Amino acid sequence: RKEVEQDPGPFNVPEGATVAFNCTYSNSASQSFFWYRQDCRKEPKLLMSVYSSGNEDGRFTAQLNRASQYISLLIRDSKLSDSATYLCVVNPNDYKLSFGAGTTVTVRA
Amino acid sequence: DAGVIQSPRHEVTEMGQEVTLRCKPISGHDYLFWYRQTMMRGLELLIYFNNNVPIDDSGMPEDRFSAKMPNASFSTLKIQPSEPRDSAVYFCASSFQAYSNQPQHFGDGTRLSIL
Repeated sequence: RKEVEQDPGPFNVPEGATVAFNCTYSNSASQSFFWYRQDCRKEPKLLMSVYSSGNEDGRFTAQLNRASQYISLLIRDSKLSDSATYLCVVNPNDYKLSFGAGTTVTVRA
Repeated sequence: DAGVIQSPRHEVTEMGQEVTLRCKPISGHDYLFWYRQTMMRGLELLIYFNNNVPIDDSGMPEDRFSAKMPNASFSTLKIQPSEPRDSAVYFCASSFQAYSNQPQHFGDGTRLSIL
C-alpha cells in the first residue's frame, strides 16, 4: 500500500465552481501535512500546511481527519490560474516527506 | 531572498557519460533533499542530508548514483555511467528543521535526457 494515495483526476471544472478532493495516508503516526501545487514542467511549491483544526487561505480550505486518515482540499470560486496538479504531502517521520502522485485540476473558461 | 538554486536547468547527454547535477540550498537551511520525478513513478526521494551529512540514501537506485555535500551551501548528485532510464527531472529541496513540521522548498529542477 502506498503511503499517500490520491485520486489522479482530472477534475475539469468551469471558472467560479467549487472543487474538492481528498487524499489518504497510511501511517497513523504522521504528524505534518501539506498541500503542494505543481504546474506543468515546474517545481512543486508549497500551497498550504494542513492543521488539525482545519485552515483556510483565501479561496483554499484544507481539512485533516486523523481518525479516517485523510486530508482534503477545497477550492472555491475557481480561477483559470488554479489549473495545476495538487500534491498531497505527509510527514510519516521526522524529516522525510511522502508525496502523493497528485490530483490534476483543470479550470475552463 | 534567493531560493534553492539548481544547475544546469537542462542536460542532454549520451548514455555512458558522467552527469553532475548541482544544488545550492537556501541559506540557513540544515536539510537538503534530492528527488527524481518521472511520469511513471512520480516524485521519489533519492537521498537527504542533515548538516552536510547523508542521513538516508535508501532511495538511491543503484551504485551508479552518488551524492555529496561538501559544505552547507553546495551539493552534487552524480550519475556515472548514465543510462537512458535515468532520464527524469531531478529536484533539490531544502528545509529548516528546527521543528519537524517545516515544509521543503524546491529548486527549479534539472531536466535530464540520456540518449
